[in-house]
Formats: sequence, structure tokens, C-alpha cells
Amino acid sequence: DAGITQSPRHKVTETGTPVTLRCHQTENHRYMYWYRQDPGHGLRLIHYSYGVKDTDKGEVSDGYSVSRSKTEDFLLTLESATSSQTSVYFCATGRPADLDTEAFFGQGTRLTVV
Amino acid sequence: DAKTTQPTSMDCAEGRAANLPCNHSTISGNEYVYWYRQIHSQGPQYIIHGLKNNETNEMASLIITEDRKSSTLILPHATLRDTAVYYCIVRVAGKRSGGSNYKLTFGKGTLLTVNP
Repeated sequence: DAGITQSPRHKVTETGTPVTLRCHQTENHRYMYWYRQDPGHGLRLIHYSYGVKDTDKGEVSDGYSVSRSKTEDFLLTLESATSSQTSVYFCATGRPADLDTEAFFGQGTRLTVV
Repeated sequence: DAKTTQPTSMDCAEGRAANLPCNHSTISGNEYVYWYRQIHSQGPQYIIHGLKNNETNEMASLIITEDRKSSTLILPHATLRDTAVYYCIVRVAGKRSGGSNYKLTFGKGTLLTVNP
């Protein structure tokens, strides 16, 4: 699993509360990604990072923010959780190399907003 | 990144070759074709990638047409454990400055069911 740890693995939270998901990697990969996966939608990119303090929006970034203060950690924050953010969240990392930009995925975090 | 089109689902008999097609008619000259798969509830797993030549590794083979507008992932001897959603992605690879070239966007993929 390329040393990627997502925490927590499962969480139930109430509508309106803030939630932070953590992705920790031990591979010194430069690139990190957050996805959500819902039935019928496949994997959708929320935010990604291409270096410490360098982040950009993906296709479904509304309601989410991220931070990358050090290489190994990429945090995803739901400022005020809503039921529509109930989903499985995957973190991924990737390293820049000439012909090899394979991405490695964590095992996912199942978030339920009630 | 160029958009890809894949069938929603496919079936394959165990032990036979599974051929998964992908159309990417708007692919650019500097975009690679990548394949990932996701076994139920797990994180996606990289399979193979290529630019214009056919590629083979221990998991699969990738056949890219000469015009690069389509490709086929081949699992030579499918097993029940190959049942998964397979994603075809096209994207730029290589050392570049700026983050947008490393955006990694997935479509809905093909659900391959390998039957005994």
C-alpha cells in the first residue's frame, strides 16, 4: 500500500459539525490527492496537492478545504458537514518521474453524516 | 486530460482472456494511457500504462492503436479475483512544473465480472 495511512477509517458525525480526515504517507511522494466515491459516480477528485502548501481544486471541491503543511500529511476538512458529503473518501499519492506517475491509494475512510 | 469512454460492464469466463476496450479519440500527443482497477471497497490499484507502443507486465497487456484513439487492456487468463471495476485514464506524464499536469481524473470505468 506504499505506506499510505488514512485516519479515521470510519466516522459518523452530525450535520453542521467540522470534520478533518488525514492522509499520511511515508514514501516522500510529492503529489497527493483526495477523492470521494459514491454509487453511480465513480471516483471524483476533490482536491490535490503538488507540493507543500501547493494545492488545487478538483471537480467536486465545494464544501471542502485542504492543507499540506508537510510532505507526509494531506488533510481534508469539511467545514460544516452535510448529508450529501456522506461518502467513502480515498487518498492517493504519486511521485513525479519521467515516465512513471503511478498513483498509490489508501484504503479509504467511510464517512457518514447524520 | 482527454476524456475516455468505456463500456459500463463486461463478463468473462474464468481462464479466458478478458479484453477491455477504451476510446480516447481526443488524446494529445503527450498523453499516456493508464489503467487502474478497483476491487470491491478497496483503493484503486495501478495496472499498466503506455504511450504508443504495446506494453506488457506481470498483470496485463496494453494494446494501443496506431492512431492512439483507442486501447485495449488484456488480462490473459482471467481469474475470479480479477472481478473489479477497471478505469482507463489518459493524462500527461513526465517532469513538469506546475500542478495541473498531475491531475488524475477517473471516469466510471468498466465493471468486469469473471464467471466460474
